[in-house]
Order: sequence, then C-alpha cells, then structure tokens
Amino acid sequence: NAGVTQTPKFQVLKTGQSMTLQCAQDMNHNSMYWYRQDPGMGLRLIYYSASEGTTDKGEVPNGYNVSRLNKREFSLRLESAAPSQTSVYFCASSELGRGNAQHFGDGTRLSIL
Amino acid sequence: TQLLEQSPQFLSIQEGENLTVYCNSSSVFSSLQWYRQEPGEGPVLLVTVVTGGEVKKLKRLTFQFGDARKDSSLHITAAQPGDTGLYLCAGAGNAGGTSYGKLTFGQGTILTVHP
Repeated sequence: NAGVTQTPKFQVLKTGQSMTLQCAQDMNHNSMYWYRQDPGMGLRLIYYSASEGTTDKGEVPNGYNVSRLNKREFSLRLESAAPSQTSVYFCASSELGRGNAQHFGDGTRLSIL
Repeated sequence: TQLLEQSPQFLSIQEGENLTVYCNSSSVFSSLQWYRQEPGEGPVLLVTVVTGGEVKKLKRLTFQFGDARKDSSLHITAAQPGDTGLYLCAGAGNAGGTSYGKLTFGQGTILTVHP
C-alpha cells in the first residue's frame, strides 16, 4: 500500500543550486498538491493540480515551478535554491469534492546552505 | 485569503487529563478537517465535519463544527501518551463557492501527554 511516495527523503543544497522533488500516487486521484511546512506555520500550499493537465498557484508559489507529468506524478522544482526555502515539503493527493481527505507522503526534508 | 487560527500552539499535560484544541476563522468553510501528524511522517486525516453544528466522535476524541461553519474544536478525554503528536485543523473552500479541494491549514497544536 504505497499511497503517496516522495523522493528524495532528505536533501542538502547550496544556495543557487536547482533540484526537483518527485511525487507519485497510486490511488488514481485527480488532484495533487505541494505544501511546505515550517515551525509554527502549519502547512502552506505552494502549487496544486486539480486534474491532469492543469496547475495553479497556491499561497506561496514564488521560487517554485511544478509539472503534472501524468495522473500519477506531480513534481516540484526549485530553479535557484535560497536559504528561505529550507523546509519540509509534502505532496498530497485527493479526489475532488467537498470534504475529501488529502493523503500525504512522508515529506522531503530540504536544507539550503 | 482565508485564515485559520489554531490554539493553543503547545499543550503539555499528564495522562488522564482532558484537553480542547480550538480552530477559529472569520471565514466560512464548506467543511473542516482534523489531521494528526507524527514526527517524520505526513499528516493523516482523523475526521471531516461538513454540517454546521455537527459533532463527531472517534473513541476518546470529539470533534465539533460551529453552527456558522467558521470554527471547530477537538476535545480529547482522558488523554494517553499515544495521543502525543501534532494536530492540524484544515478548512476547505468557501461555502457556495467552487472548490478544488484546496485546504487552509491552521498553525497546528503540538500535544505532549506525559505518563
């Protein structure tokens, strides 16, 4: 029962480097999301994809790009990493509709020096 | 922008005590979810409340959605060390509006229950 799988689990980058966080879900969900979690700030939505072929900005999109590769996969790219992007990143998926649960991966812990 | 204020931010209690976590907003939500998160893992859904005034019970946990769908509470009776974790409330959409399932999360409550 994989659910939502995120890779890598940990990553250390230098300022200015780029990287892509990968996310895949096997629940045939239409919607996928990327969040960042910082102490005392809960989860903040970076980007989401309501369905395959669409992506939209969330609350904190600056410095990030996303690609909905297919129904299963949704990647998050940092083009030029900054120390302010040090965080724990979570991917989630859900079906559309009021009250549908979001299913989360175990996160990627990203440190930018 | 919808905001959810969650309180308290930290809660440290002894086993057997009762506690309540609050989630408040000036905005109306179409539904309200509560998640629990353990270290090194992603949040896991505990419950969804949809109707104003709704009360749901999950063993020793009682969840309530305010009549106006702007606030919610989580009450734990006789807390146990296994209840330790981060509790997050999350509101979905605007009542009557289009929602793609986007959630607005509260800041979270870190609960520690001491044996």
